[in-house]
Parts: sequence; C-alpha cells; structure tokens
Amino acid sequence: SQTIHQWPATLVQPVGSPLSLECTVEGTSNPNLYWYRQAAGRGLQLLFYSVGIGQISSEVPQNLSASRPQDRQFILSSKKLLLSDSGFYLCAWRQGAADGYTFGSGTRLTVV
Amino acid sequence: AQSVTQPDIHITVSEGASLELRCNYSYGATPYLFWYVQSPGQGLQLLLKYFSGDTLVQGIKGFEAEFKRSQSSFNLRKPSVHWSDAAEYFCAVGTAPYGQNFVFGPGTRLSVLP
Repeated sequence: SQTIHQWPATLVQPVGSPLSLECTVEGTSNPNLYWYRQAAGRGLQLLFYSVGIGQISSEVPQNLSASRPQDRQFILSSKKLLLSDSGFYLCAWRQGAADGYTFGSGTRLTVV
Repeated sequence: AQSVTQPDIHITVSEGASLELRCNYSYGATPYLFWYVQSPGQGLQLLLKYFSGDTLVQGIKGFEAEFKRSQSSFNLRKPSVHWSDAAEYFCAVGTAPYGQNFVFGPGTRLSVLP
C-alpha cells in the first residue's frame, strides 16, 4: 500500500534561518506531489506541485522553493525564513483526477 | 476555474444528533468532489468522493454525501454524531490531476457537545 512520510513534525526556527522540509512517498511510482500550507484559522493554500523529477510548478509567489530530486521525494526549502512563513505544511500525493489526495501528517513550523 | 464555498465556519451539535455540513461548488461540468476531515494537528483524511454514478455516496466513519447537480451542492451528512467527530471538515473540487484544478473550501469546524 502507498504511504507518505513527512518530517519533522514540529519545527521552531528563527527569522532569517534556512528551512528544509522533506516528504517521501512509498508504494507508488511517478506520483503527482504537492506542498500545501495551512495558516492558523485558514484553509489550505497550494504552494507547489510536481508531476515529475525536476518539474516544479509554483502557485503563489513567496519566500519558499521546492525541489524534486527523486521520483518519490519532494522538498520544501527557504534560504531565509520570515515570520509570515509560520504555518502548518502538508505534503500530499495524488495519482489522477478521480483520486483524492493522500496527505502526510504535516509539519508545524513556527518562525520566531 | 472552479470554486468551493462552505457557508458554515463553525457548527456545534450535541453528541447523538444528526449532522449536515454544506458545500457548494462552481464549475461548468461535473467535477470530482471530495470531503476531507482534519483532526487538530494532523493531516487530512479522505472521507469520501464522488465523480459519477449514484449521487449518494458512502464514506468512512459513517459519513455520507449527496451530489445535487441542480443545486451545485455536495453536502456531508451523518445520522448520529460521536464526540470523536469533532474536527475540521473540508470540501474539495477537482477537475484534473494538477494543482490549479483542485480547490479546497475554507473548511467547517465541528464541535460536539457531550
């Protein structure tokens, strides 16, 4: 069966520090991968998606970047965190239009 | 582009009472429709989905949803709510595999009174 791993679960980082969140998927090949952010009291905002290795699409301009170095690995990064980057970050994968997302357990990022 | 609204930001029901969470969408054709649940501090879990066939779909945890094309709605229901159902519920609409064609509603927070 397919599983998705996301880490770390929580992270507290100072303003201006770098960020790297990792997501890996098991049990499937060539998945569509996604990074979402959920700010406190708000819905989900799509940040990036990837349909293949090295292929990244950005949905909103921001202080973040994403990379997909391997088929089942998706990384969210920042060179210098801002206070506004705080939130709950969710990785997800999806195979096709008729499939729902499978989400990771999320990373709670607090920038101080 | 499609859009999703969930008119109720927060709903409170008593344990054992029935529940209906509303979802309305805007899209020119029949979209793929989903309901997700998110417990505090957790990722989202798929409750059920619809994309064709019987307009009443059954999901996990005793939930069901009914697609009504004439009303552009996909409301989630449960006949008897349990305290463990307290969570945030998201309706979503998808039209294609890729990101910009999958939209989440703003969510409805469900509180359950003992």
